[in-house]
Amino acid sequence: NAGVTQTPKFQVLKTGQSMTLQCAQDMNHNSMYWYRQDPGMGLRLIYYSASEGTTDKGEVPNGYNVSRLNKREFSLRLESAAPSQTSVYFCASSEFVFGDLPPLHFGNGTRLTVT
Amino acid sequence: RKEVEQDPGPFNVPEGATVAFNCTYSNSASQSFFWYRQDCRKEPKLLMSVYSSGNEDGRFTAQLNRASQYISLLIRDSKLSDSATYLCVVNDPNSGYALNFGKGTSLLVTP
Repeated sequence: NAGVTQTPKFQVLKTGQSMTLQCAQDMNHNSMYWYRQDPGMGLRLIYYSASEGTTDKGEVPNGYNVSRLNKREFSLRLESAAPSQTSVYFCASSEFVFGDLPPLHFGNGTRLTVT
Repeated sequence: RKEVEQDPGPFNVPEGATVAFNCTYSNSASQSFFWYRQDCRKEPKLLMSVYSSGNEDGRFTAQLNRASQYISLLIRDSKLSDSATYLCVVNDPNSGYALNFGKGTSLLVTP
C-alpha cells in the first residue's frame, strides 16, 4: 500500500528558482494538507484542501501556491524560493467524517534547501 | 500564544520506567485530540486518538481534561523502541479541517 507519496525526497534550489512539490494519495481521502517542519518550530500548516476543488490558507501560506489537481493529487509550488523556505515539507491526507476530524496520514517528506 | 504547547524535554528515562507528557491547548472549542509519534527524520505517525473519557492502548494511556485544557500521555514499562518525539495535536475550530501541532516532546529510553 503506497498511502501518501511525495516527490522529490530531496531538492536544492538557488534563491529565486521555482519548483513544485508533488503529492498523491491512494486512500480515496477527501482532505489533503501541506505542512512544513522547522527545528524548534514544530509542524506548521501551509495550505489545506478539504475536498476536490477547494483550497484554504493555513498558518504560513506566504510564498506558496497550491493546486488540488484531482481527488488524489495536491501540489505545492514555490514561485521564487527564498532561504527562509529551507525546511522539511510533509504532505498529508485524511478521510473526512461528518462531525469528526480523523487523524492524518503523512508522506515521507521532502527535504528542501534554498541557498 | 501558541495554540498547542508541550514541554520539549528531553526526557531521559531507563528501560522499564513510567513517563508522562503533558500538553496544553488554548482554544476551548477544540474537539479532536491526538498523540503522534515522530522518529528522527521520519514522518509523524498516529500513536492514538484521545477521547473524553480517557483511553488506553497497551502500555499507552491518554487523558483529556477539558476544564483545564490539557492532554496527557502516560507510557508504562518504557522500551528502547519508545525513543522518539511525541507530538500533541489538536484541531483548530476556526478552520474546521486544520490540525495544530505542538513542537513535540523528546523521549530517550536508555538501557
